[in-house]
Amino acid sequence: NAGVMQNPRHLVRRRGQEARLRCSPMKGHSHVYWYRQLPEEGLKFMVYLQKENIIDESGMPKERFSAEFPKEGPSILRIQQVVRGDSAAYFCASSPPSLATDTQYFGPGTRLTVL
Amino acid sequence: SQQGEEDPQALSIQEGENATMNCSYKTSINNLQWYRQNSGRGLVHLILIRSNEREKHSGRLRVTLDTSKKSSSLLITASRAADTASYFCATGGGNSGGYQKVTFGIGTKLQVIP
Repeated sequence: NAGVMQNPRHLVRRRGQEARLRCSPMKGHSHVYWYRQLPEEGLKFMVYLQKENIIDESGMPKERFSAEFPKEGPSILRIQQVVRGDSAAYFCASSPPSLATDTQYFGPGTRLTVL
Repeated sequence: SQQGEEDPQALSIQEGENATMNCSYKTSINNLQWYRQNSGRGLVHLILIRSNEREKHSGRLRVTLDTSKKSSSLLITASRAADTASYFCATGGGNSGGYQKVTFGIGTKLQVIP
């Protein structure tokens, strides 16, 4: 049973380019969460999605950032026109639909470096 | 502002000693979780304690929760060099809408010296 998968693991972009980060949740999980971790800091919630729906995007920057979780395929976090301040580790987590489960299962993260 | 704040921010101990990390939070919670993160890696879930529980054990880990003081502690007994990592507490705000918004602290960096 594969865990949460993220790719790429490392991504280097120049300022102004686009970054696309992908997350495949664990099998049977329909809830996906994205977090950002700046160096030497904790994880900051960005967005929570279910299949084809954004449920909570209160942690997403208002501009340049978007997320989707289509009916088929992985969840995508998209950052347009990246700036140096976007350099961080981006983690995806997933959880099953059951209300009884509180635990989120994390992927290994994508480390984005903006030159 | 951060919901959870770990204390201390860094801790260095000798192998075999016990390590205690604390976490304080501000608002009411449904549960509190502890995660470990090895350098440059993802997070590993260690233990979850619910708001109606006071103590929980898992192997060499012991977690306590004091909701009146809004604080939790993580104790690692008989530490090993492999326990060297950052440890985060995360508070779960409830299952409204069928999901749990988890808020992380900034973490405690634990170094276990062989």
